[in-house]
Amino acid sequence: DGGITQSPKYLFRKEGQNVTLSCEQNLNHDAMYWYRQDPGQGLRLIYYSQIVNDFQKGDIAEGYSVSREKKESFPLTVTSAQKNPTAFYLCASSQGRMYTEAFFGQGTRLTVV
Amino acid sequence: AQSVTQPDIHITVSEGASLELRCNYSYGATPYLFWYVQSPGQGLQLLLKYFSGDTLVQGIKGFEAEFKRSQSSFNLRKPSVHWSDAAEYFCAVGADFGNEKLTFGTGTRLTIIP
Repeated sequence: DGGITQSPKYLFRKEGQNVTLSCEQNLNHDAMYWYRQDPGQGLRLIYYSQIVNDFQKGDIAEGYSVSREKKESFPLTVTSAQKNPTAFYLCASSQGRMYTEAFFGQGTRLTVV
Repeated sequence: AQSVTQPDIHITVSEGASLELRCNYSYGATPYLFWYVQSPGQGLQLLLKYFSGDTLVQGIKGFEAEFKRSQSSFNLRKPSVHWSDAAEYFCAVGADFGNEKLTFGTGTRLTIIP
């Protein structure tokens, strides 16, 4: 079945450590996105990539980094510079432009301990 | 830049009753509009979308939404809710020029009581 796979589902990190969240899709979509979800704030865009080897900052990119070396993969690194990293992270992809329908993974809940 | 407002943070409805979730958007031209549903700890699933044409759109799980340009609204409706509809619902708007991205509302949490 085609879809988007995020791993792990739960992740714990010590303060000061970097951590990488995985996102893989087999939908053959060109565009991929990372969103952060906090209670009562909806979804906020962190980074997006519309083509391999290219990506753009979203609304809250500070403290995060990404890479897009393969069409099917878009990993997100939460660095120690991110002041409040505890959140639910969602990866998405779409066939066309970013404003068209997005398909979402099941999410990764990151907790800083 | 576009924006989305979902004025109701939490709604409680009895099983079998009708449902309407409100969504207002701000955008200068005709937007692309979406409703997504999220179960606890899960990703988002698309319920329905409006790009153009008929302003009443049908979605999955018996949901429908109506685009009203004059009111800048895209409210989600269901004639009779089921306990399995309890979830969080997000309205989103997309734009095809200017700020080209999906912008989400803050969500409405739906509780179903017997």
